Amino acid sequence: GESVGLHLPTLSVQEGDNSIINCAYSNSASDYFIWYKQESGKGPQFIIDIRSNMDKRQGQRVTVLLNKTVKHLSLQIAATQPGDSAVYFCAESYTTGNQFYFGTGTSLTVIP
Amino acid sequence: KAGVTQTPRYLIKTRGQQVTLSCSPISGHRSVSWYQQTPGQGLQFLFEYFSETQRNKGNFPGRFSGRQFSNSRSEMNVSTLELGDSALYLCASSLVVGNEQFFGPGTRLTVL
Repeated sequence: GESVGLHLPTLSVQEGDNSIINCAYSNSASDYFIWYKQESGKGPQFIIDIRSNMDKRQGQRVTVLLNKTVKHLSLQIAATQPGDSAVYFCAESYTTGNQFYFGTGTSLTVIP
Repeated sequence: KAGVTQTPRYLIKTRGQQVTLSCSPISGHRSVSWYQQTPGQGLQFLFEYFSETQRNKGNFPGRFSGRQFSNSRSEMNVSTLELGDSALYLCASSLVVGNEQFFGPGTRLTVL
């Protein structure tokens, strides 16, 4: 299957700092990407998405950057809060359906 | 608007048995996808349904099957359960294909 890998399995940041979570995807044909947050015992929660015709998209305290040249995706979280502690997944899709390939996840820990 | 609901939330079965999991998508959503999440393999795509038709299928054995009803509710079935089928089974829905995908809380299946 396709490989969507995350560079860092764990990330610890101080409360109030900015967090950057990275993701490398393997298929240059991927045209839709989603970042998810998963807390313990819960299903993945949609954070933000971006399509391949964009380089950057901003949401509330989050920004996703897409670099198609190097097939890299990043999620930036501004002013990280304890409630942001979770596992973050990137997911890519390159089919006409809703078949997404997920990265292995990065565990973000926010230190108060 | 209610989110994606999955029943049951927890299930314990023994090897050789079969199991049926249920998913009710967000009202109005017509696409339903199923994923298996395990610590070793992460999130893996099982299949996707749209308007009662299976559009995509992941790399899983034929013991895994699913269907979608006219009201967009979906079920997945696993026959002849194996220990390795123990996992969190997640259902996700989207309004249409290629759109934001929202996950349910999952069904935790344990096979003894």
